[in-house]
Amino acid sequence: EAGVAQSPRYKIIEKRQSVAFWCNPISGHATLYWYQQILGQGPKLLIQFQNNGVVDDSQLPKDRFSAERLKGVDSTLKIQPAKLEDSAVYLCASSRHRTGGSTEAFFGQGTRLTVV
Amino acid sequence: AQSVTQPDIHITVSEGASLELRCNYSYGATPYLFWYVQSPGQGLQLLLKYFSGDTLVQGIKGFEAEFKRSQSSFNLRKPSVHWSDAAEYFCAVNYGGSQGNLIFGKGTKLSVKP
Repeated sequence: EAGVAQSPRYKIIEKRQSVAFWCNPISGHATLYWYQQILGQGPKLLIQFQNNGVVDDSQLPKDRFSAERLKGVDSTLKIQPAKLEDSAVYLCASSRHRTGGSTEAFFGQGTRLTVV
Repeated sequence: AQSVTQPDIHITVSEGASLELRCNYSYGATPYLFWYVQSPGQGLQLLLKYFSGDTLVQGIKGFEAEFKRSQSSFNLRKPSVHWSDAAEYFCAVNYGGSQGNLIFGKGTKLSVKP
């Protein structure tokens, strides 16, 4: 079974520029998550999709971050404009089901973003 | 607020020694509990999980964890650490419900001395 694919692996941009990350979840997984992991901290949920609908985006800074999940499969996360504090690893994860909490989430390798 | 506490930021153990990483969670209801491991530059890999039943769960790579409801804890253990276990370890909880997303602790970095 192929894992969660993310690209790019690394990205360096200047502040105020825009950037986009791409995620392809495991085939058949209905739920997709984007997490932000700042150095020295645990991952923090940015947004959760169930198929192509948003379940939770309460921690997404909507003035600069946006995300979509096309046809309930691939997803893109965009930052525009980027700030220095957005430097982090952005992790995509997917799971088979949404509710109950008992479903394991599988993580991609992440995209390391550096804003200079 | 729902939270996960990993009180140890960094632990160093000798190869072959035993290991215990601590994890405590808040909130009254019993959540679903997970331990993930992250090697440098890699994503998160699930070590083990607890949903219900036997409070001692076995995972991959020789790890185990014990759920103690009275202490709101889910500590990770390994009887004999290998140099390849050096990584960062994250405890996570999921309280289920309509959203059901993972809440992570800040992680414990494990170093292994030869």
